[in-house]
Amino acid sequence: SQTIHQWPATLVQPVGSPLSLECTVEGTSNPNLYWYRQAAGRGLQLLFYSVGIGQISSEVPQNLSASRPQDRQFILSSKKLLLSDSGFYLCAWSVLGPPLYFGPGTRLTVL
Amino acid sequence: KNEVEQSPQNLTAQEGEFITINCSYSVGISALHWLQQHPGGGIVSLFMLSSGKKKHGRLIATINIQEKHSSLHITASHPRDSAVYICAAMNYGGSQGNLIFGKGTKLSVKP
Repeated sequence: SQTIHQWPATLVQPVGSPLSLECTVEGTSNPNLYWYRQAAGRGLQLLFYSVGIGQISSEVPQNLSASRPQDRQFILSSKKLLLSDSGFYLCAWSVLGPPLYFGPGTRLTVL
Repeated sequence: KNEVEQSPQNLTAQEGEFITINCSYSVGISALHWLQQHPGGGIVSLFMLSSGKKKHGRLIATINIQEKHSSLHITASHPRDSAVYICAAMNYGGSQGNLIFGKGTKLSVKP
């Protein structure tokens, strides 16, 4: 069966520090992978999606970046966090069409 | 005005009550999702529908394409149904994975 992992589950980081969130998928090949952010009081917002290794599309300009070094690994990064980067980050995957499977999420607090 | 609007924002019900959550959208869509987000943050896809009605256990989702409206119904509600319910529209021409999310309806079912 398919499984999606995210870590860490929670993270508290100071402003200006770097960030690396990891997402891995098991039980499927060549998935489409997505990073979403859910800020307090707001709906989910698509940040990045990837249809294959090394292929990243950005939906929202910001100080975040994403990479896909392996087929089932998706990484969200930042060189310098801002206060506004606080939120709940969700990785998701699909094989065809829109995302149907979400990871457990990472709650990021930037102080 | 948001492209996807949900109502109500918050809903408190007694166990056993019939619950309806509404979703209206202003864009042309190819499909609409209903998602459930539990207090821990994890999200589960409940339904994806593009016409008519779908039923899974005590959950029923309907969509009226002409009226651009969808409803999620829960029959014989139970405290374990307490969660945030989110509708998300996939619009024509949007980039892959670019669902437009409502802000969610927070449901609390009291025993």
